[in-house]
Amino acid sequence: AQSVTQLDSQVPVFEEAPVELRCNYSSSVSVYLFWYVQYPNQGLQLLLKYLSGSTLVESINGFEAEFNKSQTSFHLRKPSVHISDTAEYFCAVSVLSGTYKYIFGTGTRLKVLA
Amino acid sequence: NAGVMQNPRHLVRRRGQEARLRCSPMKGHSHVYWYRQLPEEGLKFMVYLQKENIIDESGMPKERFSAEFPKEGPSILRIQQVVRGDSAAYFCASSHPDASGLSPTSTINYGYTFGSGTRLTVV
Repeated sequence: AQSVTQLDSQVPVFEEAPVELRCNYSSSVSVYLFWYVQYPNQGLQLLLKYLSGSTLVESINGFEAEFNKSQTSFHLRKPSVHISDTAEYFCAVSVLSGTYKYIFGTGTRLKVLA
Repeated sequence: NAGVMQNPRHLVRRRGQEARLRCSPMKGHSHVYWYRQLPEEGLKFMVYLQKENIIDESGMPKERFSAEFPKEGPSILRIQQVVRGDSAAYFCASSHPDASGLSPTSTINYGYTFGSGTRLTVV
């Protein structure tokens, strides 16, 4: 079985500061990895994903995540956050062997302070 | 493109009543998924439906919960005789159909599009 751990339930950070949201997973088989973002009163939106190839993946709004197989991690980073990045961020995995089911973490609430 | 529409946004039910949650997928999407987020937990898969078919309901509680996705109209998640433990956020997602069927990467490559959820409170 797979599981996803997001240790930080809340992360406050000042505007223009860097941030890292941690995600660790456990799985006995290979997985795909995802970050979803949920802005207030909206649905979850796919932020970025790792399927194969380069272990560093980037989103269009400056976030990046690096797949580290040895540490079973997929941490999300941004070098300089904006107020508009305030949202809840969910890490998720899905196994490669033909499934549509995501296993989600409990989410990390990022609050960017002015 | 209106995205995935869920309604109501908030639903309050007394114990023993029925709750009906509706989900209209994105235009062009014919696969629908329901997830539940209990307080302080991550989203958990409940059921996967295509038009008029339940593909996988392995995440659905055995009793009181049912889901449908009729040929016309939205997908419905129905909870009968609600209890306090049913209080949660229920999210619906949809995805683009894959011409080759349940390809391992089809849904993954497209990703889901989620709705804003229905917050069910049982009092």
